[in-house]
Amino acid sequence: AQSVAQPEDQVNVAEGNPLTVKCTYSVSGNPYLFWYVQYPNRGLQFLLKYITGDNLVKGSYGFEAEFNKSQTSFHLKKPSALVSDSALYFCAVRASSGSARQLTFGSGTQLTVLP
Amino acid sequence: NAGVMQNPRHLVRRRGQEARLRCSPMKGHSHVYWYRQLPEEGLKFMVYLQKENIIDESGMPKERFSAEFPKEGPSILRIQQVVRGDSAAYFCASSTVASPSTDTQYFGPGTRLTVL
Repeated sequence: AQSVAQPEDQVNVAEGNPLTVKCTYSVSGNPYLFWYVQYPNRGLQFLLKYITGDNLVKGSYGFEAEFNKSQTSFHLKKPSALVSDSALYFCAVRASSGSARQLTFGSGTQLTVLP
Repeated sequence: NAGVMQNPRHLVRRRGQEARLRCSPMKGHSHVYWYRQLPEEGLKFMVYLQKENIIDESGMPKERFSAEFPKEGPSILRIQQVVRGDSAAYFCASSTVASPSTDTQYFGPGTRLTVL
């Protein structure tokens, strides 16, 4: 069975400071990893994904994430946070092998960027 | 290119009624997924469909829930005899037929079901 842990329910950061939202995963074999963002009363917007190759993945709105196989982590980062980045962030995993295409999501991390 | 469309956006039902949620995938996408988000929780997979086929329904409750994706028209998630515990946001996602290595699921805005 695959699982995702987002250890922090809430992350607060000052505008202009770097931000990190943590994610660890468990999956059989190699993982496909995803980050999505959800604004209030909206659907999930795709930010970025790791499939293979370079461990540092760049995505939308200046976000990036680093895949660390030994630590089974895929932390989301941004060098300089904006107030508009305040939202709920979800990490998700899918196994690269087998026919299952379902995503397994973490419980989400509420990011608040303070002006 | 229009994104994933879901309707209605909000749906209120009384206990025992039926709820029908619709999802139109992005243009060119033929794979549809349904997820449920309970309050204060992450999304949980329910079912994965392709046109006229249910591929994986391992996340669907055994009773009262069904899904279809006909040859023509939107995908439908149907909940019969709703109970208060069905109150949640139901999200649809779609993806292309491309290989799993490039498969990204794009989500609709969700339908928020409230059962009175």
